[in-house]
Amino acid sequence: QSALTQPPSVSGSPGQSVAISCTGTSSDFHTVSWYKQPPGSAPKLMIYEVSNRPSGVPDRFSGSKSGNTASLTISGLQPEDEADYYCNIYTTNTYVFGTGTKVTVL
Amino acid sequence: VHLVESGGGLVQPGGSLRLSCSASGFSFETFWMSWVRQAPGKGLEWVANIKQDGSQKQYLDSLKGRFTVSRDNAKNVVYLQMNDLRAEDTAVYYCARDGSGSGSSWTFDHWGQGTLITVSS
Repeated sequence: QSALTQPPSVSGSPGQSVAISCTGTSSDFHTVSWYKQPPGSAPKLMIYEVSNRPSGVPDRFSGSKSGNTASLTISGLQPEDEADYYCNIYTTNTYVFGTGTKVTVL
Repeated sequence: VHLVESGGGLVQPGGSLRLSCSASGFSFETFWMSWVRQAPGKGLEWVANIKQDGSQKQYLDSLKGRFTVSRDNAKNVVYLQMNDLRAEDTAVYYCARDGSGSGSSWTFDHWGQGTLITVSS
């Protein structure tokens, strides 16, 4: 499994919803997690096992999957959501990240 | 949970470097640990991980033979020994805790701030 494919960028106005897709060939998308990385900062876990939120992550972040495509949806976009987002799966004893998506809040 | 990487810096092509990651605030010996890197302006790339007792190690295929992960549970430290370094190894290297020990399987639930490795002559 090479790097998972994500759109390079998505944007939206405050209050709107945006969705980020993550596509690959692996059958292990039940392991998908999502990470937020603000500029100059370390990544932060936002979603695990497709749709679970760690404690402290706002419920406007949600995840889903269909076959070999996972999605992260940010509802009610906020200025602090502006960052790079990466998906990740665990497959054949390897972790594979997505190509990353820059979310811009207009 | 606190993870602090050290050991980064400038190294010549073909050289070696050992990174350390000091862990605190949790039972280090009960968690898998990983290294993840990020080249300047690029995306995240998983490098390696190591089981709680050090008995299992997994690596990115392209790095096998050059990088070695190890840990010292008595000191709460995980290491990454990097040999035969190349320009393409230039990156920020992050230490991350595997979340399976806290209920979030197949994740990196805590990250350090990273240490920069620059491979250049």
